[in-house]
Amino acid sequence: DGGITQSPKYLFRKEGQNVTLSCEQNLNHDAMYWYRQDPGQGLRLIYYSQIVNDFQKGDIAEGYSVSREKKESFPLTVTSAQKNPTAFYLCASTIQGADTEAFFGQGTRLTVV
Amino acid sequence: GENVEQHPSTLSVQEGDSAVIKCTYSDSASNYFPWYKQELGKRPQLIIDIRSNVGEKKDQRIAVTLNKTAKHFSLHITETQPEDSAVYFCGSSGTYKYIFGTGTRLKVLA
Repeated sequence: DGGITQSPKYLFRKEGQNVTLSCEQNLNHDAMYWYRQDPGQGLRLIYYSQIVNDFQKGDIAEGYSVSREKKESFPLTVTSAQKNPTAFYLCASTIQGADTEAFFGQGTRLTVV
Repeated sequence: GENVEQHPSTLSVQEGDSAVIKCTYSDSASNYFPWYKQELGKRPQLIIDIRSNVGEKKDQRIAVTLNKTAKHFSLHITETQPEDSAVYFCGSSGTYKYIFGTGTRLKVLA
């Protein structure tokens, strides 16, 4: 059953702690993306990766980090430097490049307590 | 940097009426323009897309138009139904970067 999976669905973090969100795909897609979704602000691009071992900052990369050691995995770490981390995070992937349909994971809702 | 502006942010229509959502993009290199529908608590899913070499595309009740000169594109939904109620996002992408508008919450009133 092919798809893109994010885990966990809900995540709680204490202020000052780093936390890593998982994103795995078995679609054999080359490109992967992370977005943050806040009410009224749409989907904002955090980081994207077109190929293994390479990634670029999106529009709101400050306070986040990523890695792309394997084609199927693109974890996002929310660091303590992110001032307002409470949000809904969506991971997506495309076959190659950005001019094709993006497939989204089901999202992770992160709450800082 | 590149951005996509989307209007309106909310839209209420009577069942059976048409709905139009408009987007404007800034990057001249953009060549792919998808529209996604996100139902409450679910992931966004593609409903229609258009490439820069096409001016209009239609799929049953849904159509998208693109004016590349003016850098804007629109989603048209005809004969709206209650199940069309959702948040709709327009997207814009060039070679590698995939960005989205701020979303439109569509409510179809029965």
